[in-house]
Amino acid sequence: GEDVEQSLFLSVREGDSSVINCTYTDSSSTYLYWYKQEPGAGLQLLTYIFSNMDMKQDQRLTVLLNKKDKHLSLRIADTQTGDSAIYFCAGTSGNTPLVFGKGTRLSVIA
Amino acid sequence: KAGVTQTPRYLIKTRGQQVTLSCSPISGHRSVSWYQQTPGQGLQFLFEYFSETQRNKGNFPGRFSGRQFSNSRSEMNVSTLELGDSALYLCASSQTGPNSGNTIYFGEGSWLTVV
Repeated sequence: GEDVEQSLFLSVREGDSSVINCTYTDSSSTYLYWYKQEPGAGLQLLTYIFSNMDMKQDQRLTVLLNKKDKHLSLRIADTQTGDSAIYFCAGTSGNTPLVFGKGTRLSVIA
Repeated sequence: KAGVTQTPRYLIKTRGQQVTLSCSPISGHRSVSWYQQTPGQGLQFLFEYFSETQRNKGNFPGRFSGRQFSNSRSEMNVSTLELGDSALYLCASSQTGPNSGNTIYFGEGSWLTVV
C-alpha cells in the first residue's frame, strides 16, 4: 500500500520561504494534498495537485510534483508567524482512502 | 456554505463505556470518511461511507463501527472503550470520495479522552 514520508521539523525565520518535502511510494498516486493543522484544531485543506500536473501555485503557496522521484514539495513564500503549524502531505490512488505522512512541524521565528 | 460539523467537540468517557460521534458533511457531499489521530500512530483511516454504504474499511477492531444516514450525516461508534482509544477523531467530507479527484474537507474533530 501507499506510504508517505515527511521530515518531522522545520524552522524558518519570518519573511523567509519555507519548503516542506514529502515522498510517497505508490507511483499510481493520483491525487496529492497538503493540509495544515494548528494546535487543537482539525485539518485545513491548503492545496492539492493531480498527478498530471507538475506545479500548482496558489497565492503564497507553490506545490511541485516530481513523479519520477515520487517527491512532492510545498513552498510557502514570505512565511509568517501565523504559518506555524503542522503540515501533512496525503495521497490517494485508485479506490484507496487518503494516506497521510506523520506531519512536518513548522516553527516560524520572528 | 457551512463546513464539516462534528459533535461533540470534547468528551471524557470511562473504560468499558461506549461512545457515539457525529459528523455532518458539507451540503451536497455524499462521501464521509473517518480518521483517528494519535501522537504515536498519526492519522489512520477508519472507514468511508458513500450513499449509506460502507465503501472502505481500515484496520481497526470490530469495536469501531459506523453508519451513514440518507441525509449523508454519519455517526461512528466505539464500544467497550479502552485507554488507547483516546484520540482526535476526524471526519472528512467530499462529493464522491477520495479517489475521484474531489477536494476533501475535514471537520474540527472530536477529542475523546478515555479514563
